[in-house]
Amino acid sequence: GDSVTQMEGPVTLSEEAFLTINCTYTATGYPSLFWYVQYPGEGLQLLLKATKADDKGSNKGFEATYRKETTSFHLEKGSVQVSDSAVYFCALSDRGQAGTALIFGKGTTLSVSS
Amino acid sequence: GAVVSQHPSRVICKSGTSVKIECRSLDFQATTMFWYRQFPKQSLMLMATSNEGSKATYEQGVEKDKFLINHASLTLSTLTVTSAHPEDSSFYICSARDSRVLSNEQFFGPGTRLTVL
Repeated sequence: GDSVTQMEGPVTLSEEAFLTINCTYTATGYPSLFWYVQYPGEGLQLLLKATKADDKGSNKGFEATYRKETTSFHLEKGSVQVSDSAVYFCALSDRGQAGTALIFGKGTTLSVSS
Repeated sequence: GAVVSQHPSRVICKSGTSVKIECRSLDFQATTMFWYRQFPKQSLMLMATSNEGSKATYEQGVEKDKFLINHASLTLSTLTVTSAHPEDSSFYICSARDSRVLSNEQFFGPGTRLTVL
């Protein structure tokens, strides 16, 4: 079945460092791909998404490009801030199966220090 | 953007009591809602898929008689934890799918922290 694999954390960075969180997926169909962020004690917020190959999602300085050839959707940010400290989840959805739940990776904890 | 609310945000109850958690889509109609459970420092575990006007579809290993789900309208789904026990203590999160969006994107509620004493 479909699955998402994320790099294991925690990821610890200093403020203004470059961030990459790897995410790869397996899917039989043509999935949409998402990154969600969860701040402590809160629910998930959609960070960015991409619905087809070569699409680039971006938001708040974060970017991820849908790479079909490498089945990847790595999250990047050029300069992280302390406020970016959170758990990041990569997820996919099979667009051909409307109404199905998202499939999540295990999450990667990011900790940014000043 | 689409907003999903959950109520209550936190609840503490005694063992053996039942707790109802509400999930509402505030500015869109959600034909499908999902209930997840999250343990500390872990990913989300899908419990069930709730479709408006029909019975929920539960994931393997989730007791349907213990976790009652009702999706009575296009904007409201409820999860009732019946006869709660300490092992039911967890963070429960709902999400709703906006049927107008083709990408199958889901919008998440802020979560409900359940503590059973």
